[in-house]
Amino acid sequence: EDKVVQSPLSLVVHEGDTVTLNCSYEVTNFRSLLWYKQEKKAPTFLFMLTSSGIEKKSGRLSSILDKKELFSILNITATQTGDSAIYLCAVLKTSYDKVIFGPGTSLSVIP
Amino acid sequence: DGGITQSPKYLFRKEGQNVTLSCEQNLNHDAMYWYRQDPGQGLRLIYYSQIVNDFQKGDIAEGYSVSREKKESFPLTVTSAQKNPTAFYLCASSSAAGVSNEQFFGPGTRLTVL
Repeated sequence: EDKVVQSPLSLVVHEGDTVTLNCSYEVTNFRSLLWYKQEKKAPTFLFMLTSSGIEKKSGRLSSILDKKELFSILNITATQTGDSAIYLCAVLKTSYDKVIFGPGTSLSVIP
Repeated sequence: DGGITQSPKYLFRKEGQNVTLSCEQNLNHDAMYWYRQDPGQGLRLIYYSQIVNDFQKGDIAEGYSVSREKKESFPLTVTSAQKNPTAFYLCASSSAAGVSNEQFFGPGTRLTVL
């Protein structure tokens, strides 16, 4: 059975801290791993990772995939209160564009 | 502006009633999806459609039905057979089945059964 696991499920940090969110997966026919940020409503796309070892960066956010260990991390440096959200990890399968989501990590950044 | 629209934003239903949630996209996307989100459980796939007039069951299809008569539209009906329908429902689309690299999401519909 395909599954995506995220840890921690919730996290509280102070502004300026650096956080690392974890995502592991057991999925057949893996194509890509996706990270989303969900604030109040719909998730917004952050990164798509297809190849191992290549870091993707966008401002203070970065992510990397390890296809051997079936693992990805999302790093956020110098956190701000606006980073408070649920971060979803998802795996895109090669067949039928099916996407399997993890439960999400709820991040709260306090001043 | 291109995007996905869902309506209504909030929906209240009495037990025993069927209700249909609308999802429309003008992105010319082939694939469309319906997800349900419950607290602490992430997104769970209800149904998906790769092309017009075709759709497949997802992980939690029981108590739901869909249709895909037009490329732009993928309505979801929550039937009275769905035991716990109160949830947040998200519709998504992607450019082409098998080659898409991301899904675009609508704003969601929050359904409450009274």
